[in-house]
Amino acid sequence: GIQVEQSPPDLILQEGANSTLRCNFSDSVNNLQWFHQNPWGQLINLFYIPSGTKQNGRLSATTVATERYSLLYISSSQTTDSGVYFCAVDTGGGNKLTFGTGTQLKVEL
Amino acid sequence: DAGVTQSPTHLIKTRGQQVTLRCSPKSGHDTVSWYQQALGQGPQFIFQYYEEEERQRGNFPDRFSGHQFPNYSSELNVNALLLGDSALYLCASRIEASSETQYFGPGTRLLVL
Repeated sequence: GIQVEQSPPDLILQEGANSTLRCNFSDSVNNLQWFHQNPWGQLINLFYIPSGTKQNGRLSATTVATERYSLLYISSSQTTDSGVYFCAVDTGGGNKLTFGTGTQLKVEL
Repeated sequence: DAGVTQSPTHLIKTRGQQVTLRCSPKSGHDTVSWYQQALGQGPQFIFQYYEEEERQRGNFPDRFSGHQFPNYSSELNVNALLLGDSALYLCASRIEASSETQYFGPGTRLLVL
Protein backbone atom coordinates (compact mmCIF):
# COMPACT_ATOMS: atom_id res chain seq x y z
CA GLY A 1 0.00 0.00 0.00
CA ILE A 2 0.92 3.65 -0.22
CA GLN A 3 3.42 5.03 2.28
CA VAL A 4 2.89 8.49 3.77
CA GLU A 5 5.72 10.06 5.72
CA GLN A 6 5.72 13.39 7.50
CA SER A 7 8.54 15.52 8.76
CA PRO A 8 9.59 16.68 11.20
CA PRO A 9 8.03 14.27 13.71
CA ASP A 10 8.23 16.88 16.46
CA LEU A 11 8.50 20.65 16.40
CA ILE A 12 8.70 23.25 19.15
CA LEU A 13 8.19 26.91 18.24
CA GLN A 14 8.06 30.21 20.01
CA GLU A 15 4.81 32.09 19.52
CA GLY A 16 5.01 34.22 16.40
CA ALA A 17 7.43 31.96 14.55
CA ASN A 18 6.76 30.44 11.12
CA SER A 19 7.05 26.76 10.21
CA THR A 20 6.83 24.34 7.29
CA LEU A 21 5.55 20.79 7.64
CA ARG A 22 6.20 18.27 4.90
CA CYS A 23 4.27 15.21 3.67
CA ASN A 24 5.81 12.74 1.21
CA PHE A 25 3.77 10.00 -0.41
CA SER A 26 4.92 7.01 -2.41
CA ASP A 27 2.28 6.78 -5.15
CA SER A 28 -0.18 8.86 -7.16
CA VAL A 29 -3.14 10.12 -5.16
CA ASN A 30 -6.67 11.27 -5.94
CA ASN A 31 -7.03 13.29 -2.80
CA LEU A 32 -4.80 14.83 -0.16
CA GLN A 33 -6.01 16.47 3.01
CA TRP A 34 -4.34 18.19 5.95
CA PHE A 35 -5.84 17.85 9.42
CA HIS A 36 -5.10 19.32 12.83
CA GLN A 37 -5.82 17.05 15.78
CA ASN A 38 -6.35 19.03 18.95
CA PRO A 39 -5.39 17.73 22.40
CA TRP A 40 -8.91 16.34 22.86
CA GLY A 41 -8.61 14.18 19.76
CA GLN A 42 -10.85 16.12 17.39
CA LEU A 43 -9.62 16.04 13.80
CA ILE A 44 -10.17 19.41 12.17
CA ASN A 45 -10.09 19.77 8.39
CA LEU A 46 -7.51 22.30 7.24
CA PHE A 47 -7.19 21.77 3.51
CA TYR A 48 -8.43 19.52 0.73
CA ILE A 49 -5.55 19.92 -1.71
CA PRO A 50 -4.79 17.16 -4.24
CA SER A 51 -2.75 19.70 -6.21
CA GLY A 52 -1.92 23.39 -6.28
CA THR A 53 -1.84 25.98 -3.52
CA LYS A 54 -4.49 27.17 -1.08
CA GLN A 55 -4.47 29.70 1.74
CA ASN A 56 -6.70 30.14 4.74
CA GLY A 57 -5.67 32.92 7.10
CA ARG A 58 -2.28 32.14 8.65
CA LEU A 59 -2.20 28.69 7.05
CA SER A 60 -1.40 27.76 3.50
CA ALA A 61 -0.69 24.50 1.71
CA THR A 62 0.95 23.44 -1.52
CA THR A 63 0.81 20.02 -3.16
CA VAL A 64 3.12 19.07 -6.01
CA ALA A 65 1.45 15.88 -7.16
CA THR A 66 4.02 15.08 -9.85
CA GLU A 67 6.77 15.06 -7.21
CA ARG A 68 4.58 13.38 -4.57
CA TYR A 69 4.81 15.84 -1.73
CA SER A 70 2.76 18.44 0.06
CA LEU A 71 3.75 21.30 2.36
CA LEU A 72 1.78 23.00 5.11
CA TYR A 73 2.90 26.49 6.11
CA ILE A 74 1.99 28.00 9.45
CA SER A 75 2.81 31.67 9.87
CA SER A 76 2.82 33.74 13.07
CA SER A 77 2.15 30.63 15.15
CA GLN A 78 -0.07 30.81 18.23
CA THR A 79 -0.35 28.52 21.24
CA THR A 80 -3.70 27.32 19.90
CA ASP A 81 -1.85 25.87 16.89
CA SER A 82 -0.40 23.19 19.18
CA GLY A 83 -1.41 19.62 18.47
CA VAL A 84 -0.71 16.97 15.85
CA TYR A 85 -0.84 17.73 12.14
CA PHE A 86 -1.67 14.87 9.80
CA CYS A 87 -1.72 14.62 6.07
CA ALA A 88 -3.92 11.91 4.61
CA VAL A 89 -4.20 10.59 1.08
CA ASP A 90 -6.71 8.62 -0.94
CA THR A 91 -5.46 6.57 -3.88
CA GLY A 92 -8.51 4.76 -5.15
CA GLY A 93 -11.41 7.09 -4.67
CA GLY A 94 -14.16 6.73 -2.11
CA ASN A 95 -12.19 8.69 0.46
CA LYS A 96 -10.50 5.70 2.09
CA LEU A 97 -7.80 7.80 3.70
CA THR A 98 -4.30 6.64 4.55
CA PHE A 99 -2.84 8.90 7.23
CA GLY A 100 0.73 9.94 7.61
CA THR A 101 2.88 9.59 10.68
CA GLY A 102 2.00 13.05 11.96
CA THR A 103 3.94 16.09 13.17
CA GLN A 104 3.56 16.96 16.85
CA LEU A 105 3.69 20.76 17.17
CA LYS A 106 4.08 22.66 20.42
CA VAL A 107 3.93 26.45 20.40
CA GLU A 108 5.31 28.11 23.50
CA LEU A 109 4.89 31.65 24.82
CA ASP B 1 -26.24 22.41 11.78
CA ALA B 2 -24.79 19.62 13.91
CA GLY B 3 -21.58 18.07 12.78
CA VAL B 4 -20.68 14.41 13.13
CA THR B 5 -21.60 13.10 16.56
CA GLN B 6 -20.43 9.94 18.31
CA SER B 7 -21.46 8.10 21.44
CA PRO B 8 -20.35 7.27 24.00
CA THR B 9 -17.38 9.60 24.50
CA HIS B 10 -15.53 7.14 26.72
CA LEU B 11 -15.93 3.43 27.41
CA ILE B 12 -14.14 0.87 29.57
CA LYS B 13 -14.49 -2.85 28.80
CA THR B 14 -12.71 -6.03 29.79
CA ARG B 15 -11.06 -8.57 27.51
CA GLY B 16 -13.49 -10.86 25.74
CA GLN B 17 -16.43 -8.49 25.97
CA GLN B 18 -18.28 -6.95 23.04
CA VAL B 19 -18.76 -3.23 22.37
CA THR B 20 -20.99 -1.11 20.13
CA LEU B 21 -20.06 2.43 19.14
CA ARG B 22 -22.46 4.82 17.44
CA CYS B 23 -22.12 7.60 14.88
CA SER B 24 -24.54 10.14 13.46
CA PRO B 25 -23.28 11.77 10.27
CA LYS B 26 -23.32 15.45 9.47
CA SER B 27 -26.66 16.59 8.13
CA GLY B 28 -27.04 15.71 4.44
CA HIS B 29 -24.17 13.22 4.46
CA ASP B 30 -24.81 9.64 3.31
CA THR B 31 -21.44 7.88 3.59
CA VAL B 32 -19.83 6.90 6.88
CA SER B 33 -16.31 5.65 7.50
CA TRP B 34 -14.75 4.33 10.70
CA TYR B 35 -11.12 4.71 11.77
CA GLN B 36 -9.08 3.35 14.68
CA GLN B 37 -6.37 5.54 16.19
CA ALA B 38 -3.97 3.87 18.60
CA LEU B 39 -2.01 6.08 20.98
CA GLY B 40 0.74 7.98 19.20
CA GLN B 41 -0.28 6.84 15.73
CA GLY B 42 -2.35 8.14 12.84
CA PRO B 43 -5.88 6.90 12.27
CA GLN B 44 -6.27 3.64 10.35
CA PHE B 45 -9.23 2.94 8.07
CA ILE B 46 -11.55 0.17 9.30
CA PHE B 47 -14.44 0.25 6.82
CA GLN B 48 -16.90 2.45 4.97
CA TYR B 49 -20.68 2.24 4.62
CA TYR B 50 -22.86 3.59 1.85
CA GLU B 51 -26.49 2.69 1.13
CA GLU B 52 -26.44 0.41 4.17
CA GLU B 53 -23.70 -1.75 2.63
CA GLU B 54 -20.05 -2.17 3.59
CA ARG B 55 -18.25 -0.84 0.56
CA GLN B 56 -14.57 -0.79 1.49
CA ARG B 57 -12.66 -2.47 4.28
CA GLY B 58 -9.22 -1.98 5.71
CA ASN B 59 -6.94 -4.59 7.23
CA PHE B 60 -9.05 -5.44 10.26
CA PRO B 61 -10.28 -8.87 11.41
CA ASP B 62 -13.87 -10.04 11.23
CA ARG B 63 -14.26 -9.23 14.93
CA PHE B 64 -14.88 -5.71 13.63
CA SER B 65 -18.27 -5.35 12.01
CA GLY B 66 -20.64 -2.53 11.29
CA HIS B 67 -24.02 -1.44 10.20
CA GLN B 68 -25.60 1.56 8.54
CA PHE B 69 -29.24 2.45 9.13
CA PRO B 70 -31.72 4.03 6.70
CA ASN B 71 -31.16 7.42 8.36
CA TYR B 72 -27.42 7.05 7.49
CA SER B 73 -26.31 6.66 11.09
CA SER B 74 -23.88 3.85 11.75
CA GLU B 75 -22.64 1.44 14.40
CA LEU B 76 -19.26 -0.19 14.86
CA ASN B 77 -19.25 -3.50 16.73
CA VAL B 78 -16.16 -5.19 18.09
CA ASN B 79 -16.41 -8.73 19.47
CA ALA B 80 -14.02 -10.64 21.71
CA LEU B 81 -12.17 -7.49 22.75
CA LEU B 82 -8.38 -7.61 23.06
CA LEU B 83 -6.13 -5.28 25.01
CA GLY B 84 -4.83 -4.03 21.65
CA ASP B 85 -8.29 -2.77 20.71
CA SER B 86 -7.80 0.10 23.16
CA ALA B 87 -7.85 3.19 20.96
CA LEU B 88 -9.72 6.28 19.85
CA TYR B 89 -12.41 5.29 17.36
CA LEU B 90 -13.28 8.00 14.86
CA CYS B 91 -16.26 8.26 12.57
CA ALA B 92 -16.22 10.39 9.43
CA SER B 93 -19.01 11.31 7.05
CA ARG B 94 -19.27 12.77 3.56
CA ILE B 95 -21.61 13.17 0.62
CA GLU B 96 -20.99 10.35 -1.87
CA ALA B 97 -21.96 12.41 -4.91
CA SER B 98 -19.71 15.31 -3.97
CA SER B 99 -15.98 15.89 -4.08
CA GLU B 100 -16.34 17.62 -0.71
CA THR B 101 -14.03 16.42 1.98
CA GLN B 102 -15.12 14.17 4.81
CA TYR B 103 -15.67 15.47 8.33
CA PHE B 104 -14.67 13.67 11.51
CA GLY B 105 -16.53 13.28 14.78
CA PRO B 106 -14.96 13.79 18.22
CA GLY B 107 -14.34 10.06 18.66
CA THR B 108 -14.98 7.40 21.29
CA ARG B 109 -12.10 6.49 23.59
CA LEU B 110 -12.19 2.75 24.30
CA LEU B 111 -10.08 1.22 27.04
CA VAL B 112 -9.89 -2.56 27.26
CA LEU B 113 -8.64 -3.93 30.60
